[in-house]
Amino acid sequence: AQSVTQLDSQVPVFEEAPVELRCNYSSSVSVYLFWYVQYPNQGLQLLLKYLSGSTLVKGINGFEAEFNKSQTSFHLRKPSVHISDTAEYFCAVSGNTGNQFYFGTGTSLTVIP
Amino acid sequence: DVKVTQSSRYLVKRTGEKVFLECVQDMDHENMFWYRQDPGLGLRLIYFSYDVKMKEKGDIPEGYSVSREKKERFSLILESASTNQTSMYLCASSSPTGSYQPQHFGDGTRLSIL
Repeated sequence: AQSVTQLDSQVPVFEEAPVELRCNYSSSVSVYLFWYVQYPNQGLQLLLKYLSGSTLVKGINGFEAEFNKSQTSFHLRKPSVHISDTAEYFCAVSGNTGNQFYFGTGTSLTVIP
Repeated sequence: DVKVTQSSRYLVKRTGEKVFLECVQDMDHENMFWYRQDPGLGLRLIYFSYDVKMKEKGDIPEGYSVSREKKERFSLILESASTNQTSMYLCASSSPTGSYQPQHFGDGTRLSIL
């Protein structure tokens, strides 16, 4: 079985400061990992994905994530956040058992001016 | 760009009513999904479909059913709505070629059952 844990439910950060949103997964098979962002009153939008190859993945809006197999983590980072980054962020894992995704419970990022 | 359209952004219904939530995608995707999203619980899969007239139960199918008569349309049905089904409902679609394909989401339907 696969599962995803996002330890931080809320992360406040000042504008232009760096941020890291943590994601850990559990799986007995090879995984594919995703980060999605949800702006208020909208659906989820894909930020980035890790399928294979380089463990550092770059996404949209200046975000990047690093896949760490030994620590079963896929943390999301941005070196300098903007007010417009205020949103809910979801980590998701998919494996070899079909096209089903497993989502974390989300991290609410609030950027303070 | 993939477009997933959910018929209503906001919906208010009464307990006991039969409720239909509609979802249409324009990318000829085989896979379609229905989730509900609740604070602190993230997204939970209700039902999914790999093909027309085909459906599979997700993690929380009780009280729901689905219909997929055409490839582009996937409907979620609340047979007899109850207040604990008040939630945000999200539809998604994806290409079938492997589990590495990302899911594409609609804007959601915020459903209130009174």
